[in-house]
Amino acid sequence: GAVVSQHPSWVICKSGTSVKIECRSLDFQATTMFWYRQFPKQSLMLMATSNEGSKATYEQGVEKDKFLINHASLTLSTLTVTSAHPEDSSFYICSASYNRGRLDTQYFGPGTRLTVL
Amino acid sequence: GQQLNQSPQSMFIQEGEDVSMNCTSSSIFNTWLWYKQDPGEGPVLLIALYKAGELTSNGRLTAQFGITRKDSFLNISASIPSDVGIYFCAGRNNDMRFGAGTRLTVKP
Repeated sequence: GAVVSQHPSWVICKSGTSVKIECRSLDFQATTMFWYRQFPKQSLMLMATSNEGSKATYEQGVEKDKFLINHASLTLSTLTVTSAHPEDSSFYICSASYNRGRLDTQYFGPGTRLTVL
Repeated sequence: GQQLNQSPQSMFIQEGEDVSMNCTSSSIFNTWLWYKQDPGEGPVLLIALYKAGELTSNGRLTAQFGITRKDSFLNISASIPSDVGIYFCAGRNNDMRFGAGTRLTVKP
């Protein structure tokens, strides 16, 4: 159980275009979803936290107008990178969490590698 | 802030050897978690620890939640080539913080 999928697994786009990444919890309802980015050989950096039906909470330094997050249902969250630039190239990973008392643990998707030319 | 210090940064070991890595923090965490990440993949949860002093095993993996709630270690016994990857610790309160990772290489 606790399977999280991401789509696409990789994407290459031109500078200035927008890219949407989907994160789905396949076998559970995710009350909360998280979006991370990871640069090569570095740890995960939390970008934002989203609860179903409400606005996402962004970490300091993350532009909410550039990284649009929509958490429309308990099984789907999307991250849209608007007007992407080469410096946005990174590995984007989502995670989903469900509350089972103290077993409130995040389960990660497989990641999406974004390359902006 | 709630920074995690994970060590070592990397390890090169021979197949069959035991491995130990740890995370320390200046802050208290309510939960400690250990993840493994293979190249190009998302992290996979290995062990979750919820109580100070807790010692939990998952196959050849053993992790402990430090009694001060400021540290945790992960041991891997009798390493095998598929143990290769990056291991991350994470501490959780209202949010989750990750260590920088330990890159493990296992030589056959």
